Amino acid sequence: SAVISQKPSRDICQRGTSLTIQCQVDSQVTMMFWYRQQPGQSLTLIATANQGSEATYESGFVIDKFPISRPNLTFSTLTVSNMSPEDSSIYLCSVGGTGGNQPQHFGDGTRLSIL
Amino acid sequence: AQTVTQSQPEMSVQEAETVTLSCTYDTSESDYYLFWYKQPPSRQMILVIRQEAYKQQNATENRFSVNFQKAAKSFSLKISDSQLGDAAMYFCAYTNQGGKLIFGQGTELSVKP
Repeated sequence: SAVISQKPSRDICQRGTSLTIQCQVDSQVTMMFWYRQQPGQSLTLIATANQGSEATYESGFVIDKFPISRPNLTFSTLTVSNMSPEDSSIYLCSVGGTGGNQPQHFGDGTRLSIL
Repeated sequence: AQTVTQSQPEMSVQEAETVTLSCTYDTSESDYYLFWYKQPPSRQMILVIRQEAYKQQNATENRFSVNFQKAAKSFSLKISDSQLGDAAMYFCAYTNQGGKLIFGQGTELSVKP
C-alpha cells in the first residue's frame, strides 16, 4: 500500500489564524480524500480532491473555510481558515481508488488544537 | 442515504479470548464494500479487513474474520486469540463505487492481561 506522510503531525493555533496541512504520497494516486475527526467522534469526509479539477465538498463543508489544492498526483494540501475552537480536531488524508477493491489508506493525521 | 451503526461504544476482552464487534448498515445499493479499520492511540487508521458485497464467503485475515449477513445488513468483526496490541478504537465503514467512506461511531476495545 502507498506510504502517506502528513505534516504537521500536531499544532496549536490561535483563533482567527489559518493552517495548511500537507499530504504527500510515495506513488501517484487518482483520488485523495480529507477527513475530519472531532474529539471522541468518528471520521467525516470533508472533500474529495482530484488532480486537475476543483475539490468536491461534502454537505456542511465549504471551500472558503477548507480550501484544498491538488497540484499533482502525489500531493495535496488542506487549509483550515479563520480557525475557531470548534475546528479543534484530527484531520486525516487518505488515498485510494474509486472502488472498494482499492481500499483507502490513511496518513497519520494532524491533531489541531485552537486556543 | 447510507448509514453505518455501531451499537457498542465499548467492549472488553480477556487476552487470548475471542470478541465480536457489531456493525449494521443501511443502503439501497447492491454493489458496495465494507471495511473494519483500527485506530490505536497513535491515531493512525489501519485497515483490518474488507468484504465485497457480491461475495458470499466471509473475509478472513489471520486472527480477524467477519460475519457478513447481506440480507440483514450486518457486518460483525470477530477477533480471535486477542492480544494486548489489539486494544484500539474500531470503526466499521461502507463505500460504494464513488470512494467516499461512511464510518460508524466506533467501538473502543480494551484487552485485559
